[in-house]
Amino acid sequence: AQSVAQPEDQVNVAEGNPLTVKCTYSVSGNPYLFWYVQYPNRGLQFLLKYITGDNLVKGSYGFEAEFNKSQTSFHLKKPSALVSDSALYFCAVRLGGYNKLIFGAGTRLAVHP
Amino acid sequence: EPEVTQTPSHQVTQMGQEVILRCVPISNHLYFYWYRQILGQKVEFLVSFYNNEISEKSEIFDDQFSVERPDGSNFTLKIRSTKLEDSAMYFCASSEAVLQKPSYEQYFGPGTRLTVT
Repeated sequence: AQSVAQPEDQVNVAEGNPLTVKCTYSVSGNPYLFWYVQYPNRGLQFLLKYITGDNLVKGSYGFEAEFNKSQTSFHLKKPSALVSDSALYFCAVRLGGYNKLIFGAGTRLAVHP
Repeated sequence: EPEVTQTPSHQVTQMGQEVILRCVPISNHLYFYWYRQILGQKVEFLVSFYNNEISEKSEIFDDQFSVERPDGSNFTLKIRSTKLEDSAMYFCASSEAVLQKPSYEQYFGPGTRLTVT
């Protein structure tokens, strides 16, 4: 069965430090991978996607993610965290030919001043 | 920037009652979706809709659920006879059509929190 795992419930990082939010997936076939962010009382906001091509993809707000096929991972990264990055982050996968997104459980990112 | 909107933000209903959750997708989008998130659990796909038809649905989307695009702007999810376990946050999403296929990104609304008592 297709699934997405986010192994950390929460990630704590100091402002200005690099951050990584981990995601691994288990699907058959070539996945389309996504990161979404959720701020309080807001919907899921699209951050970035990997469809094909360069394994490093850049997205909104200075975030980037690296697709690693051999490790079936798609970790979200940012070189220098901001307090305003504190939010809930969701990794998702979509299979070609299907519409639905399969989400991970989410990781809460807390950036401390 | 265009956004998906949802109403109401919070709906409280009694078990067995019918509820209709409303969504206004982004205006030039043609694919529409409903997802739900039970408290403490993952966001789960319910249904996708295109060209006035359901294009895909999950096993959660049983006969008590239905979707409709009653006019050119609204997209609704109806739950005919609510159960306690229907209590969740319901998210609507939409995406563009590219060559009659959905674009990759789905844009989500803020959600409706449904509480069944």
